[in-house]
Amino acid sequence: AQSVAQPEDQVNVAEGNPLTVKCTYSVSGNPYLFWYVQYPNRGLQFLLKYITGDNLVKGSYGFEAEFNKSQTSFHLKKPSALVSDSALYFCAVRLNSGYSTLTFGKGTMLLVSP
Amino acid sequence: DAGVIQSPRHEVTEMGQEVTLRCKPISGHNSLFWYRQTMMRGLELLIYFNNNVPIDDSGMPEDRFSAKMPNASFSTLKIQPSEPRDSAVYFCASSSNSGGANTEAFFGQGTRLTVV
Repeated sequence: AQSVAQPEDQVNVAEGNPLTVKCTYSVSGNPYLFWYVQYPNRGLQFLLKYITGDNLVKGSYGFEAEFNKSQTSFHLKKPSALVSDSALYFCAVRLNSGYSTLTFGKGTMLLVSP
Repeated sequence: DAGVIQSPRHEVTEMGQEVTLRCKPISGHNSLFWYRQTMMRGLELLIYFNNNVPIDDSGMPEDRFSAKMPNASFSTLKIQPSEPRDSAVYFCASSSNSGGANTEAFFGQGTRLTVV
């Protein structure tokens, strides 16, 4: 079985400061890893993904994430937070091939204060 | 492409009534997911189709829930009879399996279901 853990229900950061939203995963095989963002009353929007290759992946809106195989982590980062980044963030995992469901973490609310 | 299209956007129904939620995946995608989101339980996978065939329905809560995918461009999620605890936002998502590799999923805007 595959699973995702997002240990923080909420992350608070001041605008202009760097942010990190944590994610660890468990999967039997090679993972595809994803980050999604959800704004109020909206669907989930794809931010970035790790498939293979460079462990640091860059995505939309200045976000990036670092894949760490030994720690089974895929933390989301941004060098300088914006108030408009405030939203609910989900980490997700699926196997990179075959019939594999897409499993999400419970989500982390990011609050960026002015 | 218009993305994943769900209908209706909002549904209010009385307990005991049948509810049908609809989803049109992105053209060319061969995987489809139904998720339910609530404050208490977060985002739960209900069912996963690949090439119109249900692969994993272990998340379907009980016999009151059923899902179909009669063709590659349409899926339904039906609740009969509906109960107040079914109130949630239901999302449909689609992705492709290209050359054996799974890609990211794209989500619809969701259907907010309220059962009174």
